[in-house]
Amino acid sequence: AQSVTQLDSQVPVFEEAPVELRCNYSSSVSVYLFWYVQYPNQGLQLLLKYLSGSTLVKGINGFEAEFNKSQTSFHLRKPSVHISDTAEYFCAVSDSSGGSNYKLTFGKGTLLTVNP
Amino acid sequence: GAVVSQHPSWVICKSGTSVKIECRSLDFQATTMFWYRQFPKQSLMLMATSNEGSKATYEQGVEKDKFLINHASLTLSTLTVTSAHPEDSSFYICSARNRGEIPDTQYFGPGTRLTVL
Repeated sequence: AQSVTQLDSQVPVFEEAPVELRCNYSSSVSVYLFWYVQYPNQGLQLLLKYLSGSTLVKGINGFEAEFNKSQTSFHLRKPSVHISDTAEYFCAVSDSSGGSNYKLTFGKGTLLTVNP
Repeated sequence: GAVVSQHPSWVICKSGTSVKIECRSLDFQATTMFWYRQFPKQSLMLMATSNEGSKATYEQGVEKDKFLINHASLTLSTLTVTSAHPEDSSFYICSARNRGEIPDTQYFGPGTRLTVL
């Protein structure tokens, strides 16, 4: 079984400032890692994913994340945020062997609010 | 590519009626679809895994007779909320695994807001 902890429920930042959204996971098996973004009253959009290989993953909208196996972390970063980045961000994991049908386990989400 | 649609986007119904929500993968085949429920300001809760041509697998605590899932084709899964009550009001989101993408990735629909009066 896996679990995901998003350490911050809310992160307020000013426009053009850098931001880091933290995610830690726990698993007894190898995992795939994902970050999704959800805008109000919408579904989830995939930002980026780590499957294997380079631990630094680049995604859409200027976001990137780094997989750290020793710290079991997958923090999301952006060097300069925009007002339009205001949304809920979810970190998720799945069993990379296909166990449980690649079922995703989500964190509780982090609300990023970008202020002018 | 990898677009998932849901219909309707919102629905209001009276208590005791049944509501059907459709989830379609528009440009890929999805042998597996997932149904989630999301309460306000909370994370997604997996309700069930829907496999094409077979019975859905429900998560613990989810009533299979209340939330009927049918996955009749490689691009369509439906969730029917039977005898809906106000406590069933929620945001329902589906996702589909893209088997054409190795390893598999889930793509999410835009969600359906159900309000039961």
